[in-house]
Amino acid sequence: GQQLNQSPQSMFIQEGEDVSMNCTSSSIFNTWLWYKQDPGEGPVLLIALYKAGELTSNGRLTAQFGITRKDSFLNISASIPSDVGIYFCAGQKGLGGGADGLTFGKGTHLIIQP
Amino acid sequence: SQTIHQWPATLVQPVGSPLSLECTVEGTSNPNLYWYRQAAGRGLQLLFYSVGIGQISSEVPQNLSASRPQDRQFILSSKKLLLSDSGFYLCAWSKQGRGETQYFGPGTRLLVL
Repeated sequence: GQQLNQSPQSMFIQEGEDVSMNCTSSSIFNTWLWYKQDPGEGPVLLIALYKAGELTSNGRLTAQFGITRKDSFLNISASIPSDVGIYFCAGQKGLGGGADGLTFGKGTHLIIQP
Repeated sequence: SQTIHQWPATLVQPVGSPLSLECTVEGTSNPNLYWYRQAAGRGLQLLFYSVGIGQISSEVPQNLSASRPQDRQFILSSKKLLLSDSGFYLCAWSKQGRGETQYFGPGTRLLVL
């Protein structure tokens, strides 16, 4: 099935550093979402983006919906230990009636060294 | 506020045995419901979604089936488990309509031996 290309696959950073990850797709999505998943738990929504070009912040997190609607990035500023986890991007077509499953990237595993 | 529950949290089953995983949502009515599977170290793959009682759509051919006997209950089943059915199963809900944000449950970890 269709997948999103998410990079990097993993990141090893020092506490206090900024983080940047991105997702690209060969097809258009009308909604981009970023989730964080802790081990053994379900993904938790961080940011949802609904308009091409939209830049949205949630605390230290900032995400943008690419103009072409085929990409998105997530930035985390001044990382702290609780930012550790796996970050997933997800795209949603969001057109018409019915339901609309998410297409996920493979995740970025963030590891923070104190 | 809305909450989503899944059980069991973990399950170890022998190959060839049946499976029933349950998901329930509280605090909302007529939600869209979804089942995803996550293989180790990978992203989530959509298995089924439902827009109402008795309405199930399958995204990928597989050994599993889904049912929605009540508005806020979604069940994932199998008659005979395969080794390849092992994984982390996640249920999600959203408001009706496409493009609505999906919220995930805590997941069920299934190990088939």
